[in-house]
Amino acid sequence: KAGVTQTPRYLIKTRGQQVTLSCSPISGHRSVSWYQQTPGQGLQFLFEYFSETQRNKGNFPGRFSGRQFSNSRSEMNVSTLELGDSALYLCASSLGSVGNTDTQYFGPGTRLTVL
Amino acid sequence: AQTVTQSQPEMSVQEAETVTLSCTYDTSESDYYLFWYKQPPSRQMILVIRQEAYKQQNATENRFSVNFQKAAKSFSLKISDSQLGDAAMYFCALTGANSKLTFGKGITLSVRP
Repeated sequence: KAGVTQTPRYLIKTRGQQVTLSCSPISGHRSVSWYQQTPGQGLQFLFEYFSETQRNKGNFPGRFSGRQFSNSRSEMNVSTLELGDSALYLCASSLGSVGNTDTQYFGPGTRLTVL
Repeated sequence: AQTVTQSQPEMSVQEAETVTLSCTYDTSESDYYLFWYKQPPSRQMILVIRQEAYKQQNATENRFSVNFQKAAKSFSLKISDSQLGDAAMYFCALTGANSKLTFGKGITLSVRP
């Protein structure tokens, strides 16, 4: 089975712009979660989508949003970019079973740099 | 709230030796899962091992094993016969019913040839 894929792998934007990142989960996985990784804050949970619905949300401002399509592919969008949004954005997929304590498998990440 | 603590920022091990990475956690949930993930320089997060909290038996995956002490809320990773390819950042993580993974700060493991 193919793993989780993320596009693009690298992105450079300027402050004030918006950006859209894409994630394709492992075939058969219905849950997609997004994480932000920075040297200062470490790995932080952004949100989780399951069956096209946001099921869980972390403590990020409304500038961070996402969606999931019927084929389970997910996108996250960051509007009005700030310098502090520079980070590695990781996507993870899982089966999304009830109780949802199944294993999350990660993609290679998208490195976003905001200038 | 869930917390995961990795107090050692760096460790070093000689090739072929054994090393143990420490992790403590806190959660109010009774049903939860613990993980160790490895992140090499490529930044790809790779699952190393997983432990279900309800299982008393410690998980093992080839050269990797855990020491799960539920009462002490401790979850350490032992790497036996260390290899150069084991050099990476290792994250301890916890998830409960809400599917959110809570990560520790990570520990950088270097392997000396």
